[in-house]
Amino acid sequence: QKEVEQDPGPLSVPEGAIVSLNCTYSNSAFQYFMWYRQYSRKGPELLMYTYSSGNKEDGRFTAQVDKSSKYISLFIRDSQPSDSATYLCAMSAYMDTGRRALTFGSGTRLQVQP
Amino acid sequence: EPEVTQTPSHQVTQMGQEVILRCVPISNHLYFYWYRQILGQKVEFLVSFYNNEISEKSEIFDDQFSVERPDGSNFTLKIRSTKLEDSAMYFCASTQSRASDSPLHFGNGTRLTVT
Repeated sequence: QKEVEQDPGPLSVPEGAIVSLNCTYSNSAFQYFMWYRQYSRKGPELLMYTYSSGNKEDGRFTAQVDKSSKYISLFIRDSQPSDSATYLCAMSAYMDTGRRALTFGSGTRLQVQP
Repeated sequence: EPEVTQTPSHQVTQMGQEVILRCVPISNHLYFYWYRQILGQKVEFLVSFYNNEISEKSEIFDDQFSVERPDGSNFTLKIRSTKLEDSAMYFCASTQSRASDSPLHFGNGTRLTVT
């Protein structure tokens, strides 16, 4: 079983739709959960970060973590064509010297149609 | 907004040659990382670096790889004898601390093509 699983898509939605992106993980040591957005030929850009179960909202984005199910989600409301990108979930564990390196999902390619 | 810069954006090299990929992390950041992404695959961790030494490395980071912070601003990844399978995007990242709420900032990557 892979440590982090993410549906690669592509996911195509009309402008204004609510988008749901998901990842599952198997390593119960993961405590920190992030969502990155990656445009073509660019580096990953941090969108959302959380380390507790529950919801965290930032503008049109909501990150949800369910540690008991080992499942995280990113919701995008009122999606825009500019949201078209690859969305990467990433997570890390904690060790004595601080947060460990990130483990990424494979990314979901999102296309928002105008 | 400060950003991580990487040079060159694209590097083509022949198998067996040495390459050095360069990064300038954000100026007040203390922790530095290299990740790579083979075309169509996941972003994978290579190595983290703090206080002039490696703090963590993955299985990918074997003896062919090395990192260095030669001065106060640059952070480099050297591949001594490149293989075809080293072809990938290499991303440098930095963060101010390893605290749980310190975000990791990525550069736009160097595309390495080994022929």
